[in-house]
Amino acid sequence: EVHLLESGGSLVQPGGSLRLSCAATGFSFSSHAMTWVRQASGKGLEWVSSIRNSGDKTYYADSVKGRFTVSRDNSKNTLYLQMNSLRSEDTAVYYCARALVEYNSGCYHFDRWGQGTLVTVSS
Amino acid sequence: DIQMTQSPSTLSASVGDRVTITCRASQSVSIWLAWYQQKPGKAPTFLIYKASTLESGVPSRFSGSGSGTDFTLTISSLQPEDFATYYCQQYNSYPLTFGGGTKVEI
Repeated sequence: EVHLLESGGSLVQPGGSLRLSCAATGFSFSSHAMTWVRQASGKGLEWVSSIRNSGDKTYYADSVKGRFTVSRDNSKNTLYLQMNSLRSEDTAVYYCARALVEYNSGCYHFDRWGQGTLVTVSS
Repeated sequence: DIQMTQSPSTLSASVGDRVTITCRASQSVSIWLAWYQQKPGKAPTFLIYKASTLESGVPSRFSGSGSGTDFTLTISSLQPEDFATYYCQQYNSYPLTFGGGTKVEI
């Protein structure tokens, strides 16, 4: 059974940094792209970043480009999101999800999701 | 960026009703559209991809249709466990974008 477990969320001051992790079990992690999606309280879903299965290609939303870095360690079956220069508008539950590529478009949709980890940016 | 607009934002329905949710893209996304269901306090779950292909294990009362810019998600006979918020997502181009959600309530 596919299982994704996020960790690392906490309260952080504006301008601070945080690293989220997502431990994956139950599938061949190195064969799948992965993604981060966030959701502010009471709001909709917002795609944040995706990474190819090999880690050689990454994609970012404009709202986080230059501040967030997605990476993965296929030997540890773990996905990461390094978040720097955090702002109050980054406050959200962050979900990791397994991404399925559509080869015609080169883009992803998401078939399995973790339960999320809460990031709060506040002084 | 491709904007995804869902309507209605809230839908009141009863068990057994046929329910239709609309998702409109600001430009063509071909058939590269997915639907998700989210219950309060839970992670989203995957329902449909390629606009109309049901994910394995999803009940057949759910169906999707459309192409280009206009898409629909239909629940043929609403069940108690279907009261949730539904999101569409385009995967035609980056940035990947979601609709604002449609809450199906009693």
